[in-house]
Amino acid sequence: SQTIHQWPATLVQPVGSPLSLECTVEGTSNPNLYWYRQAAGRGLQLLFYSVGIGQISSEVPQNLSASRPQDRQFILSSKKLLLSDSGFYLCAWSVSLGRGYTYEQYFGPGTRLTVT
Amino acid sequence: SQQGEEDPQALSIQEGENATMNCSYKTSINNLQWYRQNSGRGLVHLILIRSNEREKHSGRLRVTLDTSKKSSSLLITASRAADTASYFCATASEYGNKLVFGAGTILRVKS
Repeated sequence: SQTIHQWPATLVQPVGSPLSLECTVEGTSNPNLYWYRQAAGRGLQLLFYSVGIGQISSEVPQNLSASRPQDRQFILSSKKLLLSDSGFYLCAWSVSLGRGYTYEQYFGPGTRLTVT
Repeated sequence: SQQGEEDPQALSIQEGENATMNCSYKTSINNLQWYRQNSGRGLVHLILIRSNEREKHSGRLRVTLDTSKKSSSLLITASRAADTASYFCATASEYGNKLVFGAGTILRVKS
């Protein structure tokens, strides 16, 4: 069966510090991978998605970046955090069976980031 | 930007009652999905309904889709305290590999 891992679970970082959040998926190959951010009491905002190694689509211009160095690894980074980067970060995967169709997504447990 | 908008924003019911949540969207879709999120946790996929389907069932869940009105509803029958969570609809466009989520409905089931 497939599993998705995210770490760390919680993180408190000062403004201006760097960030690296990691997401890995097990039990599947060539998944589509997604990073979302959720503000308190709000819906999900898609930040980045990837359909393959080295292929990253950015949805919202900001000081965050994403990378996919391996097939089942997705990393969210920042060189300098802002207060507005605080939130709940969720990684998700879905099967990839061709363009033009979006299947159900499976979410990790999330990372709670507080920028102080 | 969010395409789906859930209604109501919050719903409080007694255990055993039915809960109905609505979702409206703006553009053509390939499919519409419903997710559940317990407080502080990741989302869990509940059900996917394709644009050519009008109704779908899964256990105590019933989802309807009206593409002419660009709306969907999620019905949870015989609710339980464990159904307390936030529920989100998400739309998949006709092209592409991503979902657009609504702001969600917070459901509280009182025992």
